Amino acid sequence: NAGVTQTPKFQVLKTGQSMTLQCAQDMNHNSMYWYRQDPGMGLRLIYYSASEGTTDKGEVPNGYNVSRLNKREFSLRLESAAPSQTSVYFCASSELVTLNQPQHFGDGTRLSIL
Amino acid sequence: AQKVTQAQTEISVVEKEDVTLDCVYETRDTTYYLFWYKQPPSGELVFLIRRNSFDEQNEISGRYSWNFQKSTSSFNFTITASQVVDSAVYFCALSDHGSGTYKYIFGTGTRLKVLA
Repeated sequence: NAGVTQTPKFQVLKTGQSMTLQCAQDMNHNSMYWYRQDPGMGLRLIYYSASEGTTDKGEVPNGYNVSRLNKREFSLRLESAAPSQTSVYFCASSELVTLNQPQHFGDGTRLSIL
Repeated sequence: AQKVTQAQTEISVVEKEDVTLDCVYETRDTTYYLFWYKQPPSGELVFLIRRNSFDEQNEISGRYSWNFQKSTSSFNFTITASQVVDSAVYFCALSDHGSGTYKYIFGTGTRLKVLA
């Protein structure tokens, strides 16, 4: 019963390097999300994908790109990492993007950029 | 603008004490949903409860209870007879259609420490 799986769990990058965070869900959910969690700031939405083939910006999209590869997978890419992107990144999924849908979260990726 | 405020950054209680986690929200929508999530030390967020804006009935699930009051824009969470396993960060979240787009806003979280 994997649910939402994120890889890697930890990563250290140098400023300017690129990196793709992977996310896959096995619950046949239509919608997927990427958040970042910073101390004292809760979770902030970076991008989301309401359904396969669509992506939309969230609250803090700058410096990131996403790809909804298929219904199961939603990746987050940092093209040129900056220290301000040091954070814990969470992927989540839900059946649909509607108000009443709880989200199911992965374990997170802890990313440090030096 | 949508906003979720969890004013309590950290709470420490001794096992078996009752504890209430506060959540105050702001929204202009009449239709919205409120959620509570638990983030244990292992890191993943776990969904606990959902409440819609038209249902102000309080809910009890075992040692957990939730008090939703539209008059004060609050959705508070009480743990009765707390246990060490309740130690976690708890997030309140709001979903609405603010400004015509989908919004899912989290509070900053309350870290609960239950001491044996």
